[in-house]
Amino acid sequence: EPEVTQTPSHQVTQMGQEVILRCVPISNHLYFYWYRQILGQKVEFLVSFYNNEISEKSEIFDDQFSVERPDGSNFTLKIRSTKLEDSAMYFCASSELDRKIYEQYFGPGTRLTVT
Amino acid sequence: AQKVTQAQTEISVVEKEDVTLDCVYETRDTTYYLFWYKQPPSGELVFLIRRNSFDEQNEISGRYSWNFQKSTSSFNFTITASQVVDSAVYFCALSGPRGSNYKLTFGKGTLLTVNP
Repeated sequence: EPEVTQTPSHQVTQMGQEVILRCVPISNHLYFYWYRQILGQKVEFLVSFYNNEISEKSEIFDDQFSVERPDGSNFTLKIRSTKLEDSAMYFCASSELDRKIYEQYFGPGTRLTVT
Repeated sequence: AQKVTQAQTEISVVEKEDVTLDCVYETRDTTYYLFWYKQPPSGELVFLIRRNSFDEQNEISGRYSWNFQKSTSSFNFTITASQVVDSAVYFCALSGPRGSNYKLTFGKGTLLTVNP
Protein backbone atom coordinates (compact mmCIF):
# COMPACT_ATOMS: atom_id res chain seq x y z
CA GLU A 1 0.00 0.00 0.00
CA PRO A 2 1.42 3.43 -0.91
CA GLU A 3 2.54 5.54 2.01
CA VAL A 4 4.00 8.91 2.85
CA THR A 5 7.61 8.73 3.96
CA GLN A 6 9.62 11.24 5.94
CA THR A 7 13.33 11.65 6.61
CA PRO A 8 15.04 11.84 8.96
CA SER A 9 13.01 10.18 11.71
CA HIS A 10 14.87 12.22 14.32
CA GLN A 11 16.91 15.38 13.87
CA VAL A 12 18.92 17.08 16.58
CA THR A 13 20.16 20.57 15.86
CA GLN A 14 21.57 23.55 17.69
CA MET A 15 19.61 26.73 18.13
CA GLY A 16 20.14 29.08 15.19
CA GLN A 17 20.93 26.33 12.71
CA GLU A 18 18.92 25.65 9.56
CA VAL A 19 17.14 22.34 9.15
CA ILE A 20 15.39 20.75 6.21
CA LEU A 21 12.77 18.11 6.81
CA ARG A 22 11.98 15.89 3.87
CA CYS A 23 8.82 14.17 2.80
CA VAL A 24 7.91 11.94 -0.12
CA PRO A 25 4.12 12.11 -0.59
CA ILE A 26 2.07 9.37 -2.21
CA SER A 27 2.83 9.50 -5.91
CA ASN A 28 -0.57 10.48 -7.34
CA HIS A 29 -1.36 12.98 -4.60
CA LEU A 30 -1.36 16.67 -5.40
CA TYR A 31 -2.18 18.41 -2.11
CA PHE A 32 0.57 18.51 0.51
CA TYR A 33 0.59 19.62 4.12
CA TRP A 34 2.87 20.11 7.08
CA TYR A 35 1.63 19.82 10.64
CA ARG A 36 3.43 20.21 13.94
CA GLN A 37 2.90 18.53 17.29
CA ILE A 38 4.73 19.88 20.32
CA LEU A 39 5.28 17.06 22.79
CA GLY A 40 2.09 16.19 24.63
CA GLN A 41 0.00 18.69 22.71
CA LYS A 42 -2.38 18.63 19.80
CA VAL A 43 -1.45 18.46 16.15
CA GLU A 44 -1.43 21.92 14.55
CA PHE A 45 -1.67 22.88 10.89
CA LEU A 46 1.33 24.74 9.49
CA VAL A 47 0.89 25.01 5.73
CA SER A 48 -0.83 23.54 2.70
CA PHE A 49 0.72 23.43 -0.75
CA TYR A 50 -0.85 22.89 -4.15
CA ASN A 51 0.22 23.53 -7.71
CA ASN A 52 3.69 24.59 -6.60
CA GLU A 53 2.55 27.29 -4.27
CA ILE A 54 1.34 27.77 -0.72
CA SER A 55 -2.44 27.65 -0.61
CA GLU A 56 -2.79 28.44 3.07
CA LYS A 57 -0.54 28.96 6.05
CA SER A 58 -1.16 29.33 9.75
CA GLU A 59 0.11 32.07 12.03
CA ILE A 60 2.75 29.63 13.24
CA PHE A 61 4.24 29.54 9.74
CA ASP A 62 6.25 32.75 9.94
CA ASP A 63 9.18 33.98 7.87
CA GLN A 64 11.59 31.42 9.30
CA PHE A 65 9.63 28.63 7.62
CA SER A 66 9.51 27.79 3.94
CA VAL A 67 8.30 24.88 1.84
CA GLU A 68 9.40 23.62 -1.50
CA ARG A 69 8.75 20.87 -3.96
CA PRO A 70 12.18 20.75 -5.57
CA ASP A 71 11.40 17.83 -7.85
CA GLY A 72 8.51 15.57 -8.73
CA SER A 73 8.66 13.54 -5.56
CA ASN A 74 10.03 15.44 -2.57
CA PHE A 75 8.27 18.02 -0.43
CA THR A 76 10.46 19.86 2.06
CA LEU A 77 10.01 22.06 5.09
CA LYS A 78 12.91 24.38 5.88
CA ILE A 79 13.34 26.15 9.18
CA ARG A 80 15.92 28.87 8.64
CA SER A 81 17.10 29.64 12.16
CA THR A 82 15.79 27.15 14.66
CA LYS A 83 14.59 28.15 18.11
CA LEU A 84 14.15 26.00 21.18
CA GLU A 85 10.37 26.23 20.76
CA ASP A 86 10.61 24.62 17.31
CA SER A 87 11.26 21.31 19.04
CA ALA A 88 8.32 19.16 18.00
CA MET A 89 7.18 16.28 15.83
CA TYR A 90 6.62 17.44 12.26
CA PHE A 91 4.16 15.50 10.15
CA CYS A 92 3.84 15.64 6.39
CA ALA A 93 0.53 14.67 4.80
CA SER A 94 -0.80 14.37 1.27
CA SER A 95 -4.16 13.90 -0.41
CA GLU A 96 -5.61 13.28 -3.86
CA LEU A 97 -7.32 15.87 -5.99
CA ASP A 98 -10.67 14.19 -6.52
CA ARG A 99 -13.50 13.20 -4.24
CA LYS A 100 -10.96 11.91 -1.72
CA ILE A 101 -9.23 15.26 -1.40
CA TYR A 102 -10.28 15.50 2.23
CA GLU A 103 -8.54 12.25 3.18
CA GLN A 104 -5.06 13.12 4.27
CA TYR A 105 -2.48 10.43 4.69
CA PHE A 106 0.21 11.18 7.21
CA GLY A 107 3.85 10.24 7.23
CA PRO A 108 5.49 8.77 10.34
CA GLY A 109 6.82 12.16 11.40
CA THR A 110 10.22 13.72 12.05
CA ARG A 111 11.07 14.47 15.63
CA LEU A 112 13.04 17.71 15.74
CA THR A 113 15.03 18.49 18.86
CA VAL A 114 16.59 21.93 19.13
CA THR A 115 19.26 22.27 21.81
CA ALA B 1 -13.35 29.52 13.01
CA GLN B 2 -13.32 25.78 13.51
CA LYS B 3 -12.83 24.15 16.87
CA VAL B 4 -12.70 20.60 18.16
CA THR B 5 -13.09 19.79 21.84
CA GLN B 6 -12.12 16.49 23.39
CA ALA B 7 -13.02 17.02 27.02
CA GLN B 8 -11.56 13.72 28.20
CA THR B 9 -7.82 14.15 28.64
CA GLU B 10 -7.16 10.63 29.87
CA ILE B 11 -9.23 7.49 30.20
CA SER B 12 -8.12 4.27 31.83
CA VAL B 13 -10.05 1.03 31.43
CA VAL B 14 -9.52 -2.64 32.01
CA GLU B 15 -9.30 -4.97 29.05
CA LYS B 16 -12.66 -6.06 27.60
CA GLU B 17 -14.44 -2.99 28.87
CA ASP B 18 -16.24 -0.77 26.38
CA VAL B 19 -15.05 2.82 26.20
CA THR B 20 -16.43 5.92 24.49
CA LEU B 21 -14.30 8.86 23.48
CA ASP B 22 -16.17 12.13 23.14
CA CYS B 23 -15.71 14.76 20.46
CA VAL B 24 -17.61 18.01 20.08
CA TYR B 25 -16.96 20.34 17.18
CA GLU B 26 -17.78 23.89 16.11
CA THR B 27 -17.93 25.14 12.55
CA ARG B 28 -19.87 27.62 10.47
CA ASP B 29 -19.52 25.55 7.34
CA THR B 30 -22.55 23.62 6.16
CA THR B 31 -20.33 21.04 4.50
CA TYR B 32 -17.49 19.63 6.55
CA TYR B 33 -15.67 16.42 7.33
CA LEU B 34 -14.94 14.72 10.62
CA PHE B 35 -12.12 12.32 11.34
CA TRP B 36 -10.64 10.15 14.01
CA TYR B 37 -6.92 9.41 14.12
CA LYS B 38 -5.03 7.07 16.43
CA GLN B 39 -1.53 7.90 17.65
CA PRO B 40 0.14 4.87 19.25
CA PRO B 41 3.23 5.26 21.45
CA SER B 42 5.41 4.98 18.33
CA GLY B 43 4.10 8.41 17.30
CA GLU B 44 2.61 8.00 13.84
CA LEU B 45 -0.91 9.16 13.03
CA VAL B 46 -3.19 6.40 11.86
CA PHE B 47 -6.37 7.31 10.01
CA LEU B 48 -9.43 5.54 11.43
CA ILE B 49 -12.53 7.09 9.88
CA ARG B 50 -13.96 10.00 7.93
CA ARG B 51 -17.58 11.20 7.99
CA ASN B 52 -19.23 13.80 5.78
CA SER B 53 -21.53 16.34 7.37
CA PHE B 54 -24.41 15.25 5.17
CA ASP B 55 -24.16 11.62 6.18
CA GLU B 56 -25.31 11.03 9.73
CA GLN B 57 -25.37 7.27 9.50
CA ASN B 58 -23.47 5.66 12.31
CA GLU B 59 -20.70 3.33 11.33
CA ILE B 60 -19.31 0.13 12.75
CA SER B 61 -16.00 -1.43 11.85
CA GLY B 62 -15.18 -4.47 13.90
CA ARG B 63 -14.84 -3.36 17.52
CA TYR B 64 -14.98 0.31 16.54
CA SER B 65 -18.14 2.34 16.12
CA TRP B 66 -18.84 6.00 15.57
CA ASN B 67 -21.91 8.03 16.52
CA PHE B 68 -22.34 11.24 14.54
CA GLN B 69 -25.04 13.61 15.78
CA LYS B 70 -25.35 16.94 14.01
CA SER B 71 -27.94 18.18 16.47
CA THR B 72 -25.37 18.12 19.26
CA SER B 73 -22.29 18.67 17.05
CA SER B 74 -20.77 15.49 18.34
CA PHE B 75 -18.82 12.67 16.76
CA ASN B 76 -18.16 10.09 19.44
CA PHE B 77 -16.02 6.99 19.09
CA THR B 78 -16.69 3.74 20.92
CA ILE B 79 -14.33 0.81 21.28
CA THR B 80 -16.09 -2.38 22.27
CA ALA B 81 -14.25 -5.04 24.25
CA SER B 82 -11.10 -2.95 24.48
CA GLN B 83 -7.68 -4.54 24.15
CA VAL B 84 -4.24 -3.51 25.39
CA VAL B 85 -3.26 -2.71 21.79
CA ASP B 86 -5.93 -0.01 21.76
CA SER B 87 -3.80 2.02 24.16
CA ALA B 88 -2.98 5.23 22.32
CA VAL B 89 -3.85 8.88 22.00
CA TYR B 90 -6.96 9.38 19.91
CA PHE B 91 -7.53 12.61 18.03
CA CYS B 92 -10.77 13.90 16.60
CA ALA B 93 -10.35 16.32 13.69
CA LEU B 94 -12.45 18.57 11.48
CA SER B 95 -11.91 19.96 8.00
CA GLY B 96 -13.89 22.39 5.93
CA PRO B 97 -15.37 22.28 2.45
CA ARG B 98 -13.76 22.86 -0.93
CA GLY B 99 -12.07 26.23 -0.86
CA SER B 100 -10.82 25.80 2.67
CA ASN B 101 -7.80 23.81 1.55
CA TYR B 102 -9.09 21.00 3.72
CA LYS B 103 -6.68 21.75 6.54
CA LEU B 104 -7.39 19.65 9.59
CA THR B 105 -8.23 21.18 12.93
CA PHE B 106 -7.44 18.70 15.68
CA GLY B 107 -8.72 18.33 19.19
CA LYS B 108 -6.24 17.99 22.05
CA GLY B 109 -6.57 14.23 22.06
CA THR B 110 -7.63 11.64 24.58
CA LEU B 111 -5.04 9.29 26.04
CA LEU B 112 -6.60 5.86 26.35
CA THR B 113 -4.86 3.32 28.52
CA VAL B 114 -6.18 -0.23 28.45
CA ASN B 115 -4.85 -2.28 31.33
CA PRO B 116 -4.64 -6.07 31.23
